[in-house]
Amino acid sequence: KQEVTQIPAALSVPEGENLVLNCSFTDSAIYNLQWFRQDPGKGLTSLLLIQSSQREQTSGRLNASLDKSSGRSTLYIAASQPGDSATYLCPTGGGADGLTFGKGTHLIIQP
Amino acid sequence: DTGVSQDPRHKITKRGQNVTFRCDPISEHNRLYWYRQTLGQGPEFLTYFQNEAQLEKSRLLSDRFSAERPKGSFSTLEIQRTEQGDSAMYLCASSLDYSNQPQHFGDGTRLSIL
Repeated sequence: KQEVTQIPAALSVPEGENLVLNCSFTDSAIYNLQWFRQDPGKGLTSLLLIQSSQREQTSGRLNASLDKSSGRSTLYIAASQPGDSATYLCPTGGGADGLTFGKGTHLIIQP
Repeated sequence: DTGVSQDPRHKITKRGQNVTFRCDPISEHNRLYWYRQTLGQGPEFLTYFQNEAQLEKSRLLSDRFSAERPKGSFSTLEIQRTEQGDSAMYLCASSLDYSNQPQHFGDGTRLSIL
């Protein structure tokens, strides 16, 4: 059964810092890995999708990497802004069993 | 692409009542998922539809829960005889009909049981 772990569970940093959020998963037989952000009381907003055959995806200040063999993904946020404050989730899966989520990383960017 | 739409956004009800939520997926998406999210946790998978067929159900989906997707378009999730433990955010997601496709989520329905 797939398990997803995200480290750190919470992070609070001043504006402008570069950040790395870590995600690990137990079953390397994944179709893809999708990074989401979730604002309080809201649904999930897709940030990046990395296919199982890819190593990296970039969107603006965000860069996500995937290492299937070690069961790890990282999300790099450059020049963080207060608007980046949210919970970040990195589920895997997507077949008939749906996505498997960890508890997320709760990120606060201080102005 | 109008996104995934869920209704209502909030539902407050007394214990023992029945509630029904609706999800309208992105129009060309064959796959539809329901998830439940409790405070401080990531979402947990409940059930999966491919077109109108319900192909997978989590053990979290007790006999009090039922989901339908008539005609393969919108879906409903009904909870009968609600309990305190049903209080959660119920999220719907849809995707194209390939397992490597991204899932798109709605804003969820927050259920509060008094």
